[in-house]
Amino acid sequence: EAGVAQSPRYKIIEKRQSVAFWCNPISGHATLYWYQQILGQGPKLLIQFQNNGVVDDSQLPKDRFSAERLKGVDSTLKIQPAKLEDSAVYLCASSWTSNTEAFFGQGTRLTVV
Amino acid sequence: KQEVTQIPAALSVPEGENLVLNCSFTDSAIYNLQWFRQDPGKGLTSLLLIQSSQREQTSGRLNASLDKSSGRSTLYIAASQPGDSATYLCAAPHDAGNMLTFGGGTRLMVKP
Repeated sequence: EAGVAQSPRYKIIEKRQSVAFWCNPISGHATLYWYQQILGQGPKLLIQFQNNGVVDDSQLPKDRFSAERLKGVDSTLKIQPAKLEDSAVYLCASSWTSNTEAFFGQGTRLTVV
Repeated sequence: KQEVTQIPAALSVPEGENLVLNCSFTDSAIYNLQWFRQDPGKGLTSLLLIQSSQREQTSGRLNASLDKSSGRSTLYIAASQPGDSATYLCAAPHDAGNMLTFGGGTRLMVKP
C-alpha cells in the first residue's frame, strides 16, 4: 500500500513570496490533515478535511494560509505572503475516518529567509 | 480544548534498559490515543493506536497503556536498542472533530 506522498521535500523562499505544498493521501482515506511542525515542537494541526469539506480550520492563519482539497483526494496548502516564522516542516496525514489511525507523509521542510 | 503533555522531554539510556515514556491529556473524552515515532528530518511513523475501550496495545518490544480516567498513557520500551533512538510523540483527539493534538515529544537516545 502506497503511503502519503508529499512534494516538494524541501523549499527555500524569501519572505513575502508565496509557496504551495502538495499532498496525495492513501487511496480511499476520507480524512486529510495538514500539520505545521516547528523545530523542537510537536506538530500543530492547521486544517482537517473530510472528503472535500473542511471539518476544522480554526488554527489556520487565514490571512496568509489557504488550503483546498478538490475532488476529495489530493490537497494543496498555500502560504502567501510567507513570513520568517513560517519556517517549519509541513506534514500531511490521512486516515480512513476521523477517529482511525492516521498515517503521515515525509513532510515538506520550508525555510523562509 | 485538548492539551497533551509529554514527560520527560529528553531521555538518554544505555542499551538494554527498559524504559517508560509518559503522556498526559486534559480531555478524557477521547476515542483513541496514538503513539508515533519521528526520526530526524523524517515524517511520523505510527507505532500503536489504543482505542478508548482498550487498556493497552502491544507491538513487539513496545507496549502502550491507556488510563482515560486519569488522563494518562505510557509507552513502555523493553530491552532498548540504539535503533530506538528517535523522538516519540503521543497524540489525542481534539473534541468531536477528532483532530489529533500532539504532545511536545520525548527525544530518546539509546547509547550502545
